[in-house]
Amino acid sequence: NAGVTQTPKFQVLKTGQSMTLQCAQDMNHEYMSWYRQDPGMGLRLIHYSVGAGITDQGEVPNGYNVSRSTTEDFPLRLLSAAPSQTSVYFCAGGRGTEAFFGQGTRLTVV
Amino acid sequence: EDKVVQSPLSLVVHEGDTVTLNCSYEVTNFRSLLWYKQEKKAPTFLFMLTSSGIEKKSGRLSSILDKKELFSILNITATQTGDSAVYLCAFTSGTYKYIFGTGTRLKVLA
Repeated sequence: NAGVTQTPKFQVLKTGQSMTLQCAQDMNHEYMSWYRQDPGMGLRLIHYSVGAGITDQGEVPNGYNVSRSTTEDFPLRLLSAAPSQTSVYFCAGGRGTEAFFGQGTRLTVV
Repeated sequence: EDKVVQSPLSLVVHEGDTVTLNCSYEVTNFRSLLWYKQEKKAPTFLFMLTSSGIEKKSGRLSSILDKKELFSILNITATQTGDSAVYLCAFTSGTYKYIFGTGTRLKVLA
């Protein structure tokens, strides 16, 4: 039972490149979400999903896409990376009680 | 717009002091309020509060919710250097969205 697993842990991208951050959970969470954390900004919600096939936008969705084809996986896609997307990204899952977090991905866009 | 405001933004105390961290919220469909502790990596869960006036305790940490006045406090007694962290407050709405505040950075000096 690994909980919520994020990959990669670190990534450096060039401006304009695309990539996918992976998130997988084995706790049967209905709810999954992606946050970004910048200094002094707390955790800001990018996108979330309340079940397979259902996704919705959070506070800062621009420049990111998500899909939820299975309950277990919730990948985050950066379509054309920009320096403003340099941040630490966290995936989280839950069932209406506490959210369980992955270990984070530190992304740098140069 | 749903939001969470935490205060103070940062706090420096000495070991043995007692601290009170504040969290106020505005939400259209409140479900629960959660507290997390974040050290170097992912946030770890502390408490979930759903009912007014009922204190939750775990060792030297305690928390209470006031749904009428829309706030919660987190108390830490007899602080230790290991309590140094960012403390995050979040609420969940009816759709299980978790909305976080910016956090309070606590530093405990030996």
